[in-house]
Amino acid sequence: GQNIDQPTEMTATEGAIVQINCTYQTSGFNGLFWYQQHAGEAPTFLSYNVLDGLEEKGRFSSFLSRSKGYSYLLLKELQMKDSASYLCAVECERGSTLGRLYFGRGTQLTVWP
Amino acid sequence: EAQVTQNPRYLITVTGKKLTVTCSQNMNHEYMSWYRQDPGLGLRQIYYSMNVEVTDKGDVPEGYKVSRKEKRNFPLILESPSPNQTSLYFCASHQDSMNTEAFFGQGTRLTVV
Repeated sequence: GQNIDQPTEMTATEGAIVQINCTYQTSGFNGLFWYQQHAGEAPTFLSYNVLDGLEEKGRFSSFLSRSKGYSYLLLKELQMKDSASYLCAVECERGSTLGRLYFGRGTQLTVWP
Repeated sequence: EAQVTQNPRYLITVTGKKLTVTCSQNMNHEYMSWYRQDPGLGLRQIYYSMNVEVTDKGDVPEGYKVSRKEKRNFPLILESPSPNQTSLYFCASHQDSMNTEAFFGQGTRLTVV
C-alpha cells in the first residue's frame, strides 16, 4: 500500500518560519504536490516537485529528496491567513497506473498573532 | 474561467434514497476523481477515471458508482446511501501530463440520516 506521513498539527506565530515535513513510501513516484486547504473549502495547489531540490514560490518553498522519500513545505513570514491544513500528495505513475494521487492526512497549521 | 463544478453543495437525505452528485469540468482534462474527506482520515479516493468510458476503483469504492460518458462530466452515484457515507466529497480533475496540478470542485457536504 501507499504510506504518506505528515504531522497532524503545528502552531507558529505571525512573522515566523515553519517547516512542514512529509515522508512517503509508495509504489512508483511521479511527483509530489503540496495543497493548502482552509476549513470547509476545496484544496488549492501550492507546489510541485519531481526532481530533488528546492522549488521557491514567493513565501512558500518546497523541497524533495527522492532517495529519502522526504519532502518539506517551508512557509516564511507567516500571516494569519496561512492558518489552514496543508496536504502532501504523491502522484504515482501516469499512463498504465492512471496517475493516481495519494494524500497524507494533512497538517493543521495554526498561526497565532 | 477554468473550474470544476459540483452540485449540490449541501445535501441531507435519508438512508436508502438514491442520489447523484454531479461534477463537471471545463478544462478538457482527461483525468477525473472523486474523494471523500473525513476528520482524521484525510482525502481518500473513491473512484477515478482516466478518460471517457475508463473508470477504476480507488481506495474506498464500496457503496458508490460512477460513470464517464462524456469527457467533462463525472457523476457520483449512491444507490442506497447509508449514514457512514456522511462526509465531505470533492471532485477533481487534471490533465494527463507531467507537472499539472489537480483542480478541485467546491465540495459537497452530504448528510445521510
